[in-house]
Formats: sequence, C-alpha cells, structure tokens
Amino acid sequence: GQNIDQPTEMTATEGAIVQINCTYQTSGFNGLFWYQQHAGEAPTFLSYNVLDGLEEKGRFSSFLSRSKGYSYLLLKELQMKDSASYLCAAIYQLIWGAGTKLIIKP
Amino acid sequence: KAGVTQTPRYLIKTRGQQVTLSCSPISGHRSVSWYQQTPGQGLQFLFEYFSETQRNKGNFPGRFSGRQFSNSRSEMNVSTLELGDSALYLCASRPVGNTEAFFGQGTRLTVV
Repeated sequence: GQNIDQPTEMTATEGAIVQINCTYQTSGFNGLFWYQQHAGEAPTFLSYNVLDGLEEKGRFSSFLSRSKGYSYLLLKELQMKDSASYLCAAIYQLIWGAGTKLIIKP
Repeated sequence: KAGVTQTPRYLIKTRGQQVTLSCSPISGHRSVSWYQQTPGQGLQFLFEYFSETQRNKGNFPGRFSGRQFSNSRSEMNVSTLELGDSALYLCASRPVGNTEAFFGQGTRLTVV
C-alpha cells in the first residue's frame, strides 16, 4: 500500500531546534517534498529531496534515506512565525502525510 | 507571473445540491491536481489532470469528478453534496516533470 506517516503535533521553544519526521511506503518513489502551511493559507514549498542526504536552506534542512523510507525536516533558531503545519509528500502520485502541527512557545 | 487562481474562495451549499469549482493554473503548467483538506483527514488527493486527461485518481466516490480544458484550466464537480463534503478544496499546478506543486488559496466549501 501507499502510506505516509508523520506526528500529529509537536511543541518547541522559540530559539530552539526541532526535527519533524516522516516515514513513507509507496509503490513508486521519485522524491519527497516538504511544505509549510499556515492556518487558513495554502501550502508553500520548503524543500525537495530526491537523493539520500541532507539539503540545507537557511534555517531549514531536509534529510532523506530512501533505503529506510524516512525523511526529516530540521528547523533551527525557531521563530514564532514558524508555528504552522508541516506536510511531507512523496512524489509519484503526490501522496501526502496528514501534516504535523508545530506549536512554538516563547 | 500570476499564481494559481481558484474561484470562488467561499461557497455555501445545501445537502443534495451540486457544485463546480474552478482552478486556473500558472501559465505554462499542464498538470493540475485537486485535494480535499479537512482538520481530521489532512490533505487527501482527489485527482490529477495533464493535457486534458485524468492521469491519477484518489480514493473518492464517483460523486467527485473533474475535467481539464485545452488551456489547462480545470474544474471539479461534486454532485449530491453531503455534510461531510465540507472542506477546503485546493488545487495545485506543476510544470512537466516531478517538480514542486504550486497551490492556490483554495475554495472553502460549507455544506449545510
């Protein structure tokens, strides 16, 4: 079957680091996306991993291990504006996880 | 470059009615996908159209249908609306290839 799992909700402190995990099982796989979605808004693109390893973009990094069917999104120096849902999606038929709601506390 | 445009932004319908939602992709994008988003289920894939052909379909009943026109604009239709169809309906467009999807602001449908 095709499935993507990520935690429903996480809480972190402003200025800290948080890692959001995503595991997937898909019949075909051509890469993995991470999107950010603020409440009431459309998802916006954060990162794309197609090969194993770490992709860094400023405060955000994303890691992929294809052999383990595993990815994570790492957010550093958390800011209050990072409070949002984070969605991972496996590229093939764009199978989406349900999203991780990240709550940042001062 | 204009983004993905969805109309209308908000809609209220009664049970049993039917509804048509519209999505205009980014110019040059030929792939349009539709999603239903609810607080409990997250983002659920409905279908994807490419060059006027349905390329993929999610696990939704036949009441949900769509089409794509030659200018890549897409419409989604839901017939015999049920209360559970209340959701945010998002469409996303992509250029050719497995690249990032760009989302519209969505249509919030409320069925009463």
